[in-house]
Amino acid sequence: QPVLTQPPSSSASPGESARLTCTLPSDINVGSYNIYWYQQKPGSPPRYLLYYYSDSDKGQGSGVPSRFSGSKDASANTGILLISGLQSEDEADYYCMIWPSNAWVFGGGTKLTVL
Amino acid sequence: QVQLVESGGGVVQPGGSLRLSCAASGFTFSSYGMHWVRQAPGKGLEWVAFIRYDGSNKYYADSVKGRFTISRDNSKNTLYLQMNSLRAEDTAVYYCAKDLGDDWGQGTLVTVSS
Repeated sequence: QPVLTQPPSSSASPGESARLTCTLPSDINVGSYNIYWYQQKPGSPPRYLLYYYSDSDKGQGSGVPSRFSGSKDASANTGILLISGLQSEDEADYYCMIWPSNAWVFGGGTKLTVL
Repeated sequence: QVQLVESGGGVVQPGGSLRLSCAASGFTFSSYGMHWVRQAPGKGLEWVAFIRYDGSNKYYADSVKGRFTISRDNSKNTLYLQMNSLRAEDTAVYYCAKDLGDDWGQGTLVTVSS
């Protein structure tokens, strides 16, 4: 099973933007997969934020603000979650996920601190 | 709206068994594949198992293969996870989720301890 690599932690100030990354192993092409993103706060289940395949194939979770957006960096084989206009309530763990063949694969998660 | 409600968690001794249930409502359950995902205390998310919409195919993580069985009853809108030969490392919150990944239950805690 492939392993998705996420930085364990990230921080930014309110009003700034946070760029969270999810790097796929070299034998898995990021261009071939939807990248799913989840937010999880302590004591709560994961909340679906969005998926991103391309600019013409993407989807936002119900009620998820447009300041959460996805993209890819093909040169780095990486999926990206961009959170603009950071708010204190955005402080949480963020997980990426792909769905290769009949199994979900998650990244290890990034703890985002809003300073 | 979509609701997924897990139940059946609890404390069990190593080597014991437990069956989790996930009651679904608010969508056409029989049209969707379903997953189980778990999260050990303080750890990340780990996919456990997937079953296709009609139960025709089932897939498991290597860590649970041969010990866990996923099943469903579309007449009851319910997903199941039968867990046998439980180990301490199976201790986690277990979530059920729709195959699009957009809806998850609140989770049920399984603790394997003597």
